Amino acid sequence: DQQVKQNSPSLSVQEGRISILNCDYTNSMFDYFLWYKKYPAEGPTFLISISSIKDKNEDGRFTVFLNKSAKHLSLHIVPSQPGDSAVYFCAALTRRYNNNDMRFGAGTRLTVKP
Amino acid sequence: DAGVTQSPTHLIKTRGQQVTLRCSPKSGHDTVSWYQQALGQGPQFIFQYYEEEERQRGNFPDRFSGHQFPNYSSELNVNALLLGDSALYLCASSLGLNTNQPQHFGDGTRLSIL
Repeated sequence: DQQVKQNSPSLSVQEGRISILNCDYTNSMFDYFLWYKKYPAEGPTFLISISSIKDKNEDGRFTVFLNKSAKHLSLHIVPSQPGDSAVYFCAALTRRYNNNDMRFGAGTRLTVKP
Repeated sequence: DAGVTQSPTHLIKTRGQQVTLRCSPKSGHDTVSWYQQALGQGPQFIFQYYEEEERQRGNFPDRFSGHQFPNYSSELNVNALLLGDSALYLCASSLGLNTNQPQHFGDGTRLSIL
């Protein structure tokens, strides 16, 4: 059962423009969401997170938006840079029940063209 | 400050064999989680170890077992290997079971079953 879905396997944007990566989830028990970035031959690296009590979290060029009613979150990267080219994974947890079974989406490959 | 280290980086086995993968957590971390990432998919949670005990387990058969040592390092053992066990195995570490800190991932062990 795929409880976290990233429906776009790939995304290509021009340097300096906005990148928007989307993620949908089905389990309403999830209360904490994370984005990880993965370069080839490296492990995923934590990027940004958001608790379900918030609808937005910002960290520099990265902003995550959460729409609980739609069970949807998105990651905005502004401005996009060539070094942002990587696979981005959305992940979700049910933290209030100490459930550390982190569920991941299949990832979106972002390519930022110079 | 050493991050999460995994060994070996690559491994080739044949069906029916057994394999042991190793993980040293990031300095200061005491909790280790293991994930399986098949090609084109996101990581899937296998299990989590804390205080040398398996604390939580994902939907994986008993062929997958683990261990955590007093120095917090961990092993993942897989018996009776199947072709479908071919994947990237990721180890992640964190501090405690219920924390606001995200998990830190190693670069993984690529396991190929022939």
